[in-house]
Amino acid sequence: EDQVTQSPEALRLQEGESSSLNCSYTVSGLRGLFWYRQDPGKGPEFLFTLYSAGEEKEKERLKATLTKKESFLHITAPKPEDSATYLCAVQYSGGGADGLTFGKGTHLIIQP
Amino acid sequence: ETGVTQSPTHLIKTRGQQVTLRCSSQSGHNTVSWYQQALGQGPQFIFQYYREEENGRGNFPPRFSGLQFPNYSSELNVNALELDDSALYLCASSVNRGLNEKLFFGSGTQLSVL
Repeated sequence: EDQVTQSPEALRLQEGESSSLNCSYTVSGLRGLFWYRQDPGKGPEFLFTLYSAGEEKEKERLKATLTKKESFLHITAPKPEDSATYLCAVQYSGGGADGLTFGKGTHLIIQP
Repeated sequence: ETGVTQSPTHLIKTRGQQVTLRCSSQSGHNTVSWYQQALGQGPQFIFQYYREEENGRGNFPPRFSGLQFPNYSSELNVNALELDDSALYLCASSVNRGLNEKLFFGSGTQLSVL
């Protein structure tokens, strides 16, 4: 059973069409939940860290929220340059030391 | 300030061979982690090095081993390559080990095992 599940696997939006990406996790002892962005041929780029339920963080058109069992990445009025794969990861007690456990990602395409 | 650099960018090996991948950390970072990313999957944690010592390991067999040098650069070695080892190998550095450290990733080494 996957410990971190992201949905949808892929999402195609028109420019300006807001939406949300979901990340659900089943681990206990969450120490942190991370969002990364990955462009083709590149390594992941850090976006946010969330530590506790109710926390929210924003950066430009992106806003991340956290509940006890899931996180959402809200994208408001996206632009074509927001096209990327968005990865969610958790760090938890009982994980491989300080290693992150990633989901499979959501492949987001923003059409002009 | 230079970012995380990895070499080579691409590599082709045959089953049973051994491979060494290299990583230079971002300036000021003393911790390096290695991840394996198969096509269409998220990265999987291999291990982490802090001040030249292995500081934690994911679910990978002993034929995956590593080193960290005094300048905090790192190597990932894989022995007895298998077809399933074909993947993008990512190196990430952080200012320190510990909780919720922000990781800075390199662009990876694409390994193909034939």
